[in-house]
Amino acid sequence: QAQLVESGGGLVGPGGSLRLSCGGSGFIFSDYFMHWIRQAPGKGLEWLAYISGSSGDIYIESLKGRFTISRDNNKNSLFLQMNRLTVDDTAVYYCARGRRGSLDVWGQGAMVTVSS
Amino acid sequence: QSALTQPASVAGSPGQSITISCTGTGNDVGGFEFVSWYQQHPGKAPKLIIYEVTNRPSGTSNRFSASKSGNTASLTISGLQAEDEADYYCCSTTSISTYVFGTGTKVTVL
Repeated sequence: QAQLVESGGGLVGPGGSLRLSCGGSGFIFSDYFMHWIRQAPGKGLEWLAYISGSSGDIYIESLKGRFTISRDNNKNSLFLQMNRLTVDDTAVYYCARGRRGSLDVWGQGAMVTVSS
Repeated sequence: QSALTQPASVAGSPGQSITISCTGTGNDVGGFEFVSWYQQHPGKAPKLIIYEVTNRPSGTSNRFSASKSGNTASLTISGLQAEDEADYYCCSTTSISTYVFGTGTKVTVL
């Protein structure tokens, strides 16, 4: 059964950086697009970025180059490097597998809190 | 890219049917057949319940059905049950190869 597990969340000060990881299992990781989505406390879902199996990437415009998505297919791992963090980046961050224009497998989420 | 528009809340009694709308533009919902729907219970990760506008993944109840007309997609829940109380989000691909979610709808079972 396909499974995704995020790690790397935590508390970081404004202006700081954090790197999230997402490990995949139960499927051929390199065959799939992978996505990052976030959800601020009490708010809706916001799609952030995806990366193809060959590492082509697309981002939501509002990230303005602060976030970088990457993957290591040899380690079945997806990453999100987040720089110049602000309080507005406080959210639960989910990784998800892409399939036929949808997100069919989701991780449990990693909480990122940006606060001084 | 603005979020797709959904009603903030929809309520129904057990056994009834409810419909949630999801309105976008020709650059997202209206332009592609990649509209999906997600169910999210409190404190849980979202779960895919509809993909490619009308298709149900294995394991999704046939009480969930969906359609699209023009720039508006719709999700219908028939035979409403207590377990259907959750937040629901639509999602679409866009003309600039990104994805966009709807604003979300809280479904209450009265």
